[in-house]
Amino acid sequence: QKEVEQNSGPLSVPEGAIASLNCTYSDRGSQSFFWYRQYSGKSPELIMFIYSNGDKEDGRFTAQLNKASQYVSLLIRDSQPSDSATYLCAVKWIVNTGFQKLVFGTGTRLLVSP
Amino acid sequence: DAGVTQSPTHLIKTRGQQVTLRCSPISGHKSVSWYQQVLGQGPQFIFQYYEKEERGRGNFPDRFSARQFPNYSSELNVNALLLGDSALYLCASSLLRGTAGTDTQYFGPGTRLTVL
Repeated sequence: QKEVEQNSGPLSVPEGAIASLNCTYSDRGSQSFFWYRQYSGKSPELIMFIYSNGDKEDGRFTAQLNKASQYVSLLIRDSQPSDSATYLCAVKWIVNTGFQKLVFGTGTRLLVSP
Repeated sequence: DAGVTQSPTHLIKTRGQQVTLRCSPISGHKSVSWYQQVLGQGPQFIFQYYEKEERGRGNFPDRFSARQFPNYSSELNVNALLLGDSALYLCASSLLRGTAGTDTQYFGPGTRLTVL
C-alpha cells in the first residue's frame, strides 16, 4: 500500500513569513513528487514537481526532496494571505507502461494572516 | 490553450440513481484519469484511460465505470448511487509518454456530486 502522509494543520503563519509544508511517503522506489494547491471548493492546481534530490526553486516556492529519508517539503517565502489554501502532496506510482497514478496525502491547510 | 473541462459543475441525485460525468482533456493529451475527493481528504484514484483503453483501476466497486472516446474525452458513470458517493469528482489529463516520470497531470474544475 503506497502511503503519503501530511500534517492536516492548520499551519498558521504571519504575512511575509516562510511557510514550511512537509510530506513523507512509504514507497522507497518513488521517483516523482508533486505539490498541488487547492482553494476551498476548487480543484487542485499544480504548483511544482520535483524528481531529483535537493532543492528546486520557482519564484517564491522551493521544493525539497530527500529520497533517503523519504521526505519532500514545500517552502513558501514571503507568504501572502492569497496563499491560504490546502496544499496537497502527491507521489506518482508508475505501475507499468501506460499506467501511472498519483497517490495523495490528505493535505495541509495553510492560513496566512495579514 | 483551453485546460481540462468537466461537466456538469454541480449535480444533485438521489440514492439508487445513476450519473454520468464528462471530461475533455487538454488538446494533445491522450491520457485521462479520474479521482474522487471526499471532504477533508486527498483525491483517490478511480481510473486511468490511455488511447481509449482502461490502463488502471483503483479500489472502487463495479458500480463505477468509465470509457474514453476517439477524441480522448471521457465519461465516468456511477450506478446505484449511495450517500457515500457524494464527493468532488476530478478529471486529470496528461501526455503520458511511456513511463516518463516527468509526465504531469493537470486537473479540471471538477464535478460536485451530492447524493440525497
